[in-house]
Amino acid sequence: DIQMTQSPSSLSASVGDRVTVTCRASQSISNYLNWFQQKPGKAPKLLISATSTLQSGVPSRFSGRRSGTGFTDFTFTISSLQPEDFATYYCQQSYSVPFTFGGGTKVE
Amino acid sequence: EVQLVESGGGLVQPGGSLRLSCVASGFSFSNYAMSWVRLAPGKGLEWVSSLSGGGSTTYHTDSLKGRFTISRDNSKNTLYLQMNSLRAEDTALYYCAKGGDDYIWGSYRPFDYWGQGTLVTVSS
Repeated sequence: DIQMTQSPSSLSASVGDRVTVTCRASQSISNYLNWFQQKPGKAPKLLISATSTLQSGVPSRFSGRRSGTGFTDFTFTISSLQPEDFATYYCQQSYSVPFTFGGGTKVE
Repeated sequence: EVQLVESGGGLVQPGGSLRLSCVASGFSFSNYAMSWVRLAPGKGLEWVSSLSGGGSTTYHTDSLKGRFTISRDNSKNTLYLQMNSLRAEDTALYYCAKGGDDYIWGSYRPFDYWGQGTLVTVSS
């Protein structure tokens, strides 16, 4: 199974801050990396697919990219944190079954 | 608008069974793979099982294989999860998720829309 290691597990930030979350796969996953946002009591929402493709309706302050030269390290960024962005964020690989998620990053 | 509404959760004793349902609307159900993902208390998201649009291809997480069975009725736009021999560690909020494609393996977006979830509590 591919392990997804997400960091940090939580972070404290203020409105207007730039927020960065990293996700490392235990093996190459090409660009099969997705990012989700989950607010308390709500369903997860797909923000970014295929490493960097922003889903329809998702604000452009959210972005994703591959970092480094391999296909194991990925970064998710909120360029200017808004009040509605306080949530938990998960990375997820869809390169192979079993699909696996990172442990989550709570932005508070 | 895509809508996914789960039901069937509840309190069940260890060793018991439950069948979860997910009614879909707002898209051509039979054209898309569907999945179940769960969120246990204090833990992160865990993929449970997926089923292709036509129902011919299924995948399960190995730890649950043999106890959980995914199925669908495309005539009713409904996805199911039959859960047997339930254990305390199966306690979780179970989400139904729509895929971005008919197939599972190779899809960039296996979970593009999610329902609100149905809570399963396994306890004596």
